[in-house]
Amino acid sequence: QVTLRESGPALVRPTETLTLTCSFSGFSLTTSGMCVSWIRQPPGKALEWLARIDWDDEKFYSPSLKTRLTISKDTSKNQVVLTMTNMDPVDTATYYCARGHGAIFVPFHSWGQGTLVTVSS
Amino acid sequence: EIVLTQSPDTLSLSPGERVTLSCRASQSLSSGYLAWYQRKPGQAPRLLIYDVRIRATGIPDRFSGSGSGTDFTLTVSRLEPEDFAVYYCQHYGSPLPWTFGQGTKVEIK
Repeated sequence: QVTLRESGPALVRPTETLTLTCSFSGFSLTTSGMCVSWIRQPPGKALEWLARIDWDDEKFYSPSLKTRLTISKDTSKNQVVLTMTNMDPVDTATYYCARGHGAIFVPFHSWGQGTLVTVSS
Repeated sequence: EIVLTQSPDTLSLSPGERVTLSCRASQSLSSGYLAWYQRKPGQAPRLLIYDVRIRATGIPDRFSGSGSGTDFTLTVSRLEPEDFAVYYCQHYGSPLPWTFGQGTKVEIK
């Protein structure tokens, strides 16, 4: 059974760096074609894809946020980490991680429950 | 960036009814990389349909997807009580970024 769980701070101050961890089980990021993405949803707004890391360490970033995002993986711990710099109140959102599997263009087959991050001073 | 516009924003229906949700893309998704997700309060989103019309594992056959180019549809042939939720479409082809529609809420009438 595939499970994903997001963890990180519930509150960050403006200008700080956010670090989120996605801990997963039921699959390995060393398996060919496997990938993990981060997606967020601000209150009352649409879902927004942020970044993806693949089994072979290839990375994809949303062009509008690319300068602020870094995605990495620790296959020994079954974790994917997302950092987002220079946080702003508009970054307040529920952040999800999700798994994909297949070729380059794949949907998000399994999702975590999400973690709410509030940016406020 | 491909913008996905879903309509309507909200649908009020009764169990047993047929529902059709629309997703319109700002440019052609010629590759066919279009998915639909369901989300219920307090739960993780669930993949229903991918590649326009392929049901994900374990999804009942009352859910079906169709469309091409810029216009796509999710149909639920007969609403069950557990189908009242928010539905999102998503583009996952080229170009980046991968984008979502704003969602359609299907509520009990």
